Amino acid sequence: EVQLVESGGGLVQPGRSLRVSCRVSGVSFADYVMNWVRQAPGKGLEWVGCIRSKAYGGTTEYAASVKGRFTISRDDSKSIAYLQVNSLKTEDTAVYYCSRGRIRDGYCSYMDLWGKGTTVTVSS
Amino acid sequence: QSVLTQPPSVSGAPGQRVTISCTGSSSNIGAGYDVHWYQELPGTAPKLLIYANNNRPSGVPDRFSGSKSGTSASLAITGLQAEDEADYYCQSYDSSLSGGVVFGGGTKLTVL
Repeated sequence: EVQLVESGGGLVQPGRSLRVSCRVSGVSFADYVMNWVRQAPGKGLEWVGCIRSKAYGGTTEYAASVKGRFTISRDDSKSIAYLQVNSLKTEDTAVYYCSRGRIRDGYCSYMDLWGKGTTVTVSS
Repeated sequence: QSVLTQPPSVSGAPGQRVTISCTGSSSNIGAGYDVHWYQELPGTAPKLLIYANNNRPSGVPDRFSGSKSGTSASLAITGLQAEDEADYYCQSYDSSLSGGVVFGGGTKLTVL
């Protein structure tokens, strides 16, 4: 069974840090892009960032809203992608989804598999 | 405010055909970047519906189709069913944005 399972969400105070994980099973991991997408309460989808496969250098891209505060990494030996979130703000409150993605001409393209998400709440 | 503009809502009766537009610009859809569509049923994670403008993943009914022209793209749903009631998002790449990946604001489809 194909599964993308996020974990690590929770209630965090503003300014603190958190690491969210995405474990992938039942499907290839190492050859694909991994994305993080978030959805604030009652809002639409917002792309956070992506990490390419090692074949494409394992490089990362980030949305302007999180660049410098969020870091995406991957452990291909464990089929896990990570999202390190620092200096959290109340506006970072959202459901965070991981998704497996494809590459097109070197850029992160569409996302063909999604996890169910983990909720991060930033509040004092 | 996304660089990809979608109508906030559309509606249709069962059996009808509805379309959802996604309007971009010369730095995204108009530059030739692919458009993809996702369906988000209430309380569930998004699901890929259409990729690379007009391709359906395995398992997606052929009632769903996508098209692209100029700086816009459209998702069409024919033979509307009650279970199609969901939020729909377009997604593309924008060369002017950090990271490039961008979603439209989303469209709520109501089946009357």
